[in-house]
Amino acid sequence: AQTVTQSQPEMSVQEAETVTLSCTYDTSESDYYLFWYKQPPSRQMILVIRQEAYKQQNATENRFSVNFQKAAKSFSLKISDSQLGDAAMYFCAYRSAPYSGAGSYQLTFGKGTKLSVIP
Amino acid sequence: DVKVTQSSRYLVKRTGEKVFLECVQDMDHENMFWYRQDPGLGLRLIYFSYDVKMKEKGDIPEGYSVSREKKERFSLILESASTNQTSMYLCASGGTSGAQETQYFGPGTRLLVL
Repeated sequence: AQTVTQSQPEMSVQEAETVTLSCTYDTSESDYYLFWYKQPPSRQMILVIRQEAYKQQNATENRFSVNFQKAAKSFSLKISDSQLGDAAMYFCAYRSAPYSGAGSYQLTFGKGTKLSVIP
Repeated sequence: DVKVTQSSRYLVKRTGEKVFLECVQDMDHENMFWYRQDPGLGLRLIYFSYDVKMKEKGDIPEGYSVSREKKERFSLILESASTNQTSMYLCASGGTSGAQETQYFGPGTRLLVL
């Protein structure tokens, strides 16, 4: 079974600065997907960014980018120019490749990192 | 925009009551999921469904059952609620190809069992 570890339960960043959230995972599969989800306080969980393991290029979405190190099984999220609206719980998640069967659509989540943004 | 809605944002029930949590999605997604979210534990999968009337157990199915009679609707049932089922319950849906494989979440139901 796959496991996802987020070693930083809480982090803080000054507004306009850059912060990196860590995520490591354990898998024996070679093809899979990785995700970062954001859950603002009392609000809906939304997808921040996704990465396919077969793609060597790191995914980027505006101020959010990842550092995907497949050999090290590491998938960190970098938030540049942090804004007050970035304050949230961030969850790293793993999913098997779709051809692994119906169960491959399951997500395995880490325990989350609570990010605070200091004005 | 994908929309996943849940029947209640907050719910208070008594121990032993039967509890229904309902989730509806409007994107014709094949897959639907029920998670439980607890502080320090992240999200844990209770059950998921990959088609109408089809279901699979997740990591923590004990004490729960599910029903999917229509593609857009996925219900979570607590047959006899217990205090250790006090939690936040999140529903999600997702398709089976391309970008639709991403899971989209509902707003959550915060359940308190007294």
